[in-house]
Amino acid sequence: SQKIEQNSEALNIQEGKTATLTCNYTNYSPAYLQWYRQDPGRGPVFLLLIRENEKEKRKERLKVTFDTTLKQSLFHITASQPADSATYLCALDIGNSGYALNFGKGTSLLVTP
Amino acid sequence: NAGVMQNPRHLVRRRGQEARLRCSPMKGHSHVYWYRQLPEEGLKFMVYLQKENIIDESGMPKERFSAEFPKEGPSILRIQQVVRGDSAAYFCASSPPGRVEEQYFGPGTRLTVT
Repeated sequence: SQKIEQNSEALNIQEGKTATLTCNYTNYSPAYLQWYRQDPGRGPVFLLLIRENEKEKRKERLKVTFDTTLKQSLFHITASQPADSATYLCALDIGNSGYALNFGKGTSLLVTP
Repeated sequence: NAGVMQNPRHLVRRRGQEARLRCSPMKGHSHVYWYRQLPEEGLKFMVYLQKENIIDESGMPKERFSAEFPKEGPSILRIQQVVRGDSAAYFCASSPPGRVEEQYFGPGTRLTVT
């Protein structure tokens, strides 16, 4: 069956450090992968999209890698700040639809001063 | 530019009742998607609509669930004869014409079936 796995344990890091979150998947062949941020009681907010033919993507303090051989994506936040504390979701395109996404359960990140 | 609006934010229904969830997409967006998040699960795609058309409902349960996006007014997700297992957060997203990957999510409706 299809699975999207993210670290279930919360990640606690100190302000200024780099946070690294992992997304592993099985039985998917996604055309792209996305990362979202979700705050309590709110909907997901899009952060980055990386396509299957891209190895790495950057946006300000965010960096995403995508390894289709390992079926894994890594999401990095450099110089982390307390305002980065949230749940981060990995989402995969289902069946190359281009629009239908399934999400992992997310990893909670807490950045302490 | 207001974001995606969903109402109600919280909805309580007894078993057997009907639930109607509304979604107003962002201004200028012509694509609407509905997702469901069951407790302890990730969001799962349910349905993709354009005005007056259901494009893909492959993620929607075959019975009791229906969705529409009329020419005028919000998109509606309708659940008939709700059961406890329908308790979940339902999220709507919209995207601009021709950019289906770029989805903007609403705050969700939390449905509780008692």
